[in-house]
Parts: sequence; C-alpha cells; structure tokens
Amino acid sequence: AQKITQTQPGMFVQEKEAVTLDCTYDTSDPSYGLFWYKQPSSGEMIFLIYQGSYDQQNATEGRYSLNFQKARKSANLVISASQLGDSAMYFCAMGLIQGAQKLVFGQGTRLTINP
Amino acid sequence: DTAVSQTPKYLVTQMGNDKSIKCEQNLGHDTMYWYKQDSKKFLKIMFSYNNKELIINETVPNRFSPKSPDKAHLNLHINSLELGDSAVYFCASSRRLSGGAGGELFFGEGSRLTVL
Repeated sequence: AQKITQTQPGMFVQEKEAVTLDCTYDTSDPSYGLFWYKQPSSGEMIFLIYQGSYDQQNATEGRYSLNFQKARKSANLVISASQLGDSAMYFCAMGLIQGAQKLVFGQGTRLTINP
Repeated sequence: DTAVSQTPKYLVTQMGNDKSIKCEQNLGHDTMYWYKQDSKKFLKIMFSYNNKELIINETVPNRFSPKSPDKAHLNLHINSLELGDSAVYFCASSRRLSGGAGGELFFGEGSRLTVL
C-alpha cells in the first residue's frame, strides 16, 4: 500500500527566503506520480506541481520546484523567493500510474510566511 | 466560469437527517471523485467514477451513496447523518484515470458539513 509522510506540521519562514517542505513516500510499485497541492485559508485545493517516477529531471513550475530523490523516496517541494501569499497548508500526494487513480495524501504542512 | 463547482458550500443539519451535495465540472474530464477532509485536514478518497461507472469505493458506510447521472456530474447523498460525518467534502475531477502526467485533480471549493 502507498504511504505519504510529511513530518513538518508547521513551518515559519521570512518573506523572500526559500523554503523546503519535506515529503517522503513508500510504495513497492515502480510506476507512480507525485503531486503537491496548496490549500489557502479560503479552503480550495490548488494543484502546484507533478513528478513522475520515471522522469529524469526534477519538475519545475515558476517558483515551485520538486527535489525528487528516488533512492531516498523523497519528493520535497522547494518554493523560491517566498511571498506572503504562499502562507497556506501544503499537501504531498501520490498515485500509481497503472490502474485506477487513487491519490493518497500526506498530513500536510502549514507554512506561514512572515513579513 | 468555475471549473468544478459544488453546492451547497455550507450545510448545517441535525443528526439523523438526510442531505445531498451536488457537483458539476465543465472541464470535459471523464473521471470524478469525492474526497473527505476531516478536522485535522486529512484528505481521504471516498469514491471515484469514470464515465459514470463506479471505479473506486473505499471503506465508506453505506449511508453514503454517490450518483453520477452523466460524466459531468457527481452527487453525494448521505442518509441518517451522524456527528462523525462533520467534515469538508471535496468533489474533484481529472483528465486521466491514473497517477501519471495529466492525472492531477481539479478540486471544487468544498462543502462544509456540520452535523449537530
């Protein structure tokens, strides 16, 4: 069975600094995808970035990048030049590529950006 | 236009009542889902439909019954509501039925259910 672990319940960062949110996963299946979502205080879930298990390069989307270390089974989200609007809950999730989509989510990390 | 819309956004009801949440997506996706987010923010899948066919049915009490009249709509009906059903229920859709590229979920805004 798949498992996602986010060990940081809360993180506090100064505006404009870079921040790394940790995510480790566990699966015996070699084909999977890793996703990060942002949930602001307004409650909606926003997709940020995707990394496939066979992708050779780390995914990047604007200020977001995914530090994918397959051997360590980690998929950390890096936010560069943090902004006040980055304050939110962040969720890491994983889904197998074969078969029905069933995203398994981590517990989330609450990120607070201080001015 | 909202891509995935759910109604109502808030539901407050008494134990024992029956309630429904409706969801519609205009993204042309084949796959739709219901996820439950509890008070600790933990998100767990409940159901998944692909082209109106039930694909995933997690261990959910049979008081919860999803219905997909067409691939753009997925509704959730809950009978005999209990205190523990209080949560935020998210509808979502995806282009692909897998964890591969393009399989990201597009979520609705959530429906906050409070059972008194």
